[in-house]
Amino acid sequence: EAGVAQSPRYKIIEKRQSVAFWCNPISGHATLYWYQQILGQGPKLLIQFQNNGVVDDSQLPKDRFSAERLKGVDSTLKIQPAKLEDSAVYLCASRRTAGARTYEQYFGPGTRLTVT
Amino acid sequence: DQQVKQNSPSLSVQEGRISILNCDYTNSMFDYFLWYKKYPAEGPTFLISISSIKDKNEDGRFTVFLNKSAKHLSLHIVPSQPGDSAVYFCAAIRGSTLGRLYFGRGTQLTVWP
Repeated sequence: EAGVAQSPRYKIIEKRQSVAFWCNPISGHATLYWYQQILGQGPKLLIQFQNNGVVDDSQLPKDRFSAERLKGVDSTLKIQPAKLEDSAVYLCASRRTAGARTYEQYFGPGTRLTVT
Repeated sequence: DQQVKQNSPSLSVQEGRISILNCDYTNSMFDYFLWYKKYPAEGPTFLISISSIKDKNEDGRFTVFLNKSAKHLSLHIVPSQPGDSAVYFCAAIRGSTLGRLYFGRGTQLTVWP
């Protein structure tokens, strides 16, 4: 089966600009996650979707970050305006909700964002 | 609040020997613990997991041990191979919600010939 797809892989922007990241999860995976991984730290959850509904966005800086999953499949994460501290790798993950090991999350390759 | 902790940022081991990566957690509500492996410029990939009701799970060269009373788990790799060189993340999840994974900071394992 095809893995989680993300684009772009790399992005460099200036502070106060906006940026968007795209994720296409594994086919049939109803749950989708966006994580932020700052250099030297583990991934931290930003938002979790179940189909097209938000399950957990408690860690999302809502004044500048937004995310959507309109049709319950692919998702977009946006940052507007970007700050220097947003420099990180943004990881998308998905998981199945039926069958074995439903707790396992499958990660995409990530988008490395550099804000200058 | 760091609920999952990996206190060793790096580990260097000779090929053929055992690698032991450690992880501590604070939340007794975690139901599953997972180890992910990450190569540069790639996303984390699942390696092995253990349920909180078990104390050991083995898969080939990889074994995870769980000590619930100490809130501690460890990943053993025997024998270590140069291809095992990567960052290893310990993660935990609550089974009742199957929500976010709580990650440690990771341990960079280097296996030298």
